[in-house]
Amino acid sequence: AQRVTQPEKLLSVFKGAPVELKCNYSYSGSPELFWYVQYSRQRLQLLLRHISRESIKGFTADLNKGETSFHLKKPFAQEEDSAMYYCALSGTSYGKLTFGQGTILTVHP
Amino acid sequence: GAGVSQSPSNKVTEKGKDVELRCDPISGHTALYWYRQSLGQGLEFLIYFQGNSAPDKSGLPSDRFSAERTGGSVSTLTIQRTQQEDSAVYLCASSLAGDFRLHFGPGTRLTVT
Repeated sequence: AQRVTQPEKLLSVFKGAPVELKCNYSYSGSPELFWYVQYSRQRLQLLLRHISRESIKGFTADLNKGETSFHLKKPFAQEEDSAMYYCALSGTSYGKLTFGQGTILTVHP
Repeated sequence: GAGVSQSPSNKVTEKGKDVELRCDPISGHTALYWYRQSLGQGLEFLIYFQGNSAPDKSGLPSDRFSAERTGGSVSTLTIQRTQQEDSAVYLCASSLAGDFRLHFGPGTRLTVT
């Protein structure tokens, strides 16, 4: 079975502060991990995927297989980063994508 | 091009009635997903269609829920004898085969009174 856990439902930081959204997963094989984001009144959309090892809007995420984690980080949060963030996992190329419970990030001015 | 569309955008129904939710995926996308989004439950997987393969129905919460995908395109999610706990936003997403860059629709907000 594949499972994604996001332990924080709510996360608040001030503008310019570092932010880390936690994601832990459970899967016996080699998973693909993703972060999706939903801004206010917008559709849910892909933010980044671990396989690309990219930085999007200043966010990065490193897959730590030893700790089964895929935390999302940004060194200096901006007010426009306020959104709902979902971590997601897929165990196979043609299988379903399993999402975590989501974390609402609020960046205060 | 056009993105994923869903209809209706809002649906209010009485407990015990049946409802049908529609999803039009992006043309050429063979994978189609239904998720349910509610406070406290996050994004709950319901069902997944991939091409002509048998759908993965492992997320359907009860036998009151069913879905079909006709001609590999449009999908309909049906909820029979709705209950108040069915109230949620139902999201549809599509993607190319083997590609997890899901394109989500705007969702249907279902309210069961």
